[in-house]
Amino acid sequence: DVVMTQSPLSLPVTLGQPASISCRSSQSLVFSDGNTYLNWFQQRPGQSPRRLIYKVSNRDSGVPDRFSGSGSGTDFTLQISRVEAEDVGVYYCMQGTHWPRTFGQGTKVEIK
Amino acid sequence: EVQLLESGGGLVQPGGSLRLSCAASGFTFSTYHMSWVRQAPGKGLEWVSSISVNGGNTYYADSVKGRFTVSRDDSKNTLYLQMNSLRAEDTAMYYCARGMTTPDYWGQGTLVTVSS
Repeated sequence: DVVMTQSPLSLPVTLGQPASISCRSSQSLVFSDGNTYLNWFQQRPGQSPRRLIYKVSNRDSGVPDRFSGSGSGTDFTLQISRVEAEDVGVYYCMQGTHWPRTFGQGTKVEIK
Repeated sequence: EVQLLESGGGLVQPGGSLRLSCAASGFTFSTYHMSWVRQAPGKGLEWVSSISVNGGNTYYADSVKGRFTVSRDDSKNTLYLQMNSLRAEDTAMYYCARGMTTPDYWGQGTLVTVSS
């Protein structure tokens, strides 16, 4: 199975400051069609997961542009340019290239 | 508006069975692959199963293979997860999601508790 390793697992951030979450996969996530199926999800307290980013860097409709995704191969990053109070929650990366699908452990973002 | 509404969760004894349903609306259900993802209390997300368009291909996590069966009824716009031989470690919120490479929409979940 592809192991997805996120860091850090806990991320205290000051409002208005940037935040960065790393996600590394144990195998390349490039699929045979040339796409890289690396997704980022946000789960606010008491809510279902919400997709933020798909295929590494494509932001979903309605997602604020302070969220961005980057990376390639096995090394990926989710960045929040200026953290707002509504960004509190747990963030997960997930690979959709290999079976079984796998998620990272989750990174808990909280306000200092 | 895309909506996914799970149902069928509840309390079941170890070794028992449950069938979860996910009613879809707001999109052409038959043209989308679908997935189930679960989350144990206080834990992270775990992919459980996916089913392709037309149900031609199904995929399972090793932890549920041989015990769970995913299916779909495109005439009813509904996704199912038949869960047999349930164990305490199957206790979780079960979410259905649209898609299996980049799941975009998720339901609110249905809680399954396996306990005697």
